[in-house]
Amino acid sequence: AIQLTQSPSSLSASVGDRVTITCRASQGISSTLAWYQQKPGKAPKLLIYDASSLESGVPSRFSGSGSGTDFTLTISSLQPEDFATYYCQQFNSYPLTFGGGTKVEIK
Amino acid sequence: QVQLVESGGGVVQPGGSLRLSCAASGFTFSSYGMHWVRQAPGKGLEWVAFIRYDGNNKYYADSVKGRFTISRDNSKNTLYLQMNSLRAEDTAVYYCAKLRTSGYYFDYWGQGTLVTVSS
Repeated sequence: AIQLTQSPSSLSASVGDRVTITCRASQGISSTLAWYQQKPGKAPKLLIYDASSLESGVPSRFSGSGSGTDFTLTISSLQPEDFATYYCQQFNSYPLTFGGGTKVEIK
Repeated sequence: QVQLVESGGGVVQPGGSLRLSCAASGFTFSSYGMHWVRQAPGKGLEWVAFIRYDGNNKYYADSVKGRFTISRDNSKNTLYLQMNSLRAEDTAVYYCAKLRTSGYYFDYWGQGTLVTVSS
């Protein structure tokens, strides 16, 4: 199974900060990677697909990049509603796998 | 609008069985592959199972293979997960999720249903 390693596992940031989360795959997955946001008690929400495509309705401050084994989710200017846990997920092959998550907390 | 509503969760003893349902509306259910994803309390997301739009292709996580069965009834717009030989480590919120039109990635999720395996 393809392993996805996210870093950091948590971070503290202030409103307006630029935040970067990385996801490393144990083998190449081309661009078949998604990023999801999850708030407590809620289902995950798709933010980015195909590594860099913004899902409809998602604010443009979210962006994704990368291909192969190294991927990045960037929030250009953190907003209060962005405090949540973020997960990467690969769709290259079964079994589908998720990263361990990155919790973004208020500094 | 797309809606996915899970039901069937509850408390079950180790070794027991449970069947989850996911009622779909707002889209042509019979045209989309569907998945189950779970999340243990305080933990990350774990993919569980996939079924193709016509029910003819299925995949499972190793952790549930041989114990769980995914199925669907396109006439009822409903997805199922039959869970047998349940273990404490199966305790989780179970989500059903719909694939994007491209056939990849989950664009809609249900609200989840909690399964607790405990004696």
